[in-house]
Order: sequence, then C-alpha cells, then structure tokens
Amino acid sequence: ETGVTQTPRHLVMGMTNKKSLKCEQHLGHNAMYWYKQSAKKPLELMFVYNFKEQTENNSVPSRFSPECPNSSHLFLHLHTLQPEDSALYLCASSQDRVNTEAFFGQGTRLTVV
Amino acid sequence: GENVEQHPSTLSVQEGDSAVIKCTYSDSASNYFPWYKQELGKRPQLIIDIRSNVGEKKDQRIAVTLNKTAKHFSLHITETQPEDSAVYFCAATDSWGKLQFGAGTQVVVTP
Repeated sequence: ETGVTQTPRHLVMGMTNKKSLKCEQHLGHNAMYWYKQSAKKPLELMFVYNFKEQTENNSVPSRFSPECPNSSHLFLHLHTLQPEDSALYLCASSQDRVNTEAFFGQGTRLTVV
Repeated sequence: GENVEQHPSTLSVQEGDSAVIKCTYSDSASNYFPWYKQELGKRPQLIIDIRSNVGEKKDQRIAVTLNKTAKHFSLHITETQPEDSAVYFCAATDSWGKLQFGAGTQVVVTP
C-alpha cells in the first residue's frame, strides 16, 4: 500500500448524474494531482494542488470540478459527463510540486453511459 | 510546454533478453526524468529516476541513461523475466516542474 487511497474503485454513471471521486493520502505530502488515463494515450494531467491551492488547470472542461479541503484529501466532482470521459482517473501525491516522485492511487475506473 | 515521445509502443522480448525503451523530450529546462511501471489493473509505480546532473543510473537489472544534448533518455532492462511484463511510462518535468508522461510501452516477456 503506497499510502494513496482512491474511492470508489469502479463507477458507472449516466450523463445526467452527479458523482464525486475521493482521494486520500497518508504520506504527509504537500502536492496532489488528478490524472486521466485513457487507452493508448499518455497520462493526462488534469489538476494540481500545492498546499491546498490549485496551481494548474490543464484546460479541463468545467464538468470536472476539483476540491481540496486540506493537504490530505482531494475530490473530483463530476456532472453531466460525456461517454468520452470514460477512463481511469488516477490521483497522485508528491512531497513537493517540483521534481519529486509521484505516488499514485489505484484509480477509479469510470464508465459514462 | 513539454512534449514527451516514447518508443516503441509495444515490445515483445524473449525471457533473458534485454529490453530498451527510448524517450525524447522538448523542454531543454527539464531536469527530472522518472520511469514508472504499471502492471495490469494496478497503479503506476516508480522504478527508477534520473536527474539532469547524472548521465546514467543503475539499479540491479534496470538502468537509465540520459543525453541532455540530444534530449533523450532510455530505460534498459537486462535479463528480462515474465514479471517484467507491464506498461512502462517515461516522464519529464517541464519548466514549471510538472510531470509530462510519454504514451507508454507495453512490454511482453515470453518464456
């Protein structure tokens, strides 16, 4: 166990639903990230939080809304998603935002129907 | 921003042979280059990394080389074993320190 826990592991939602993904890290790290992993594509960085402040938003559609209430928790709120949003969503954390190892959670496999 | 290209996309090797994966990057300011291994259904995990002040690093059967002038770095796995079968991702940090990942290489080690 790397210390980064994501829930749920699997999620099926309709296009009109609202759901949230949760990530928690017990490593004392200061930076947390959301990545999207689609088949045969690079890991896509979505959001970066450093000391609870959002420092990056990689042109992500507004139907994805992140929340970081503290340095240990990160949420991704989902609403009115599209089928092409189906993917594995990975949370990661690192000691600092710059040039340090990222520890990944096991991901949430999201299917939008 | 940083652009990382990774080749090949798939690599099949006989057990005991060596495997080499190559990546190129575009941002000359990049200075941190990690490699991650992702087994089927599992999370990516760091296997080795290298910083720009070093040209080569080795950890048992795994080695990474970095050529800053040419802006490319490579992962070498020697004496491959079935448990080396996985997807391997290279990454490089851009000027802001963000990790940009390559598209991944599916390595299959056949007995």
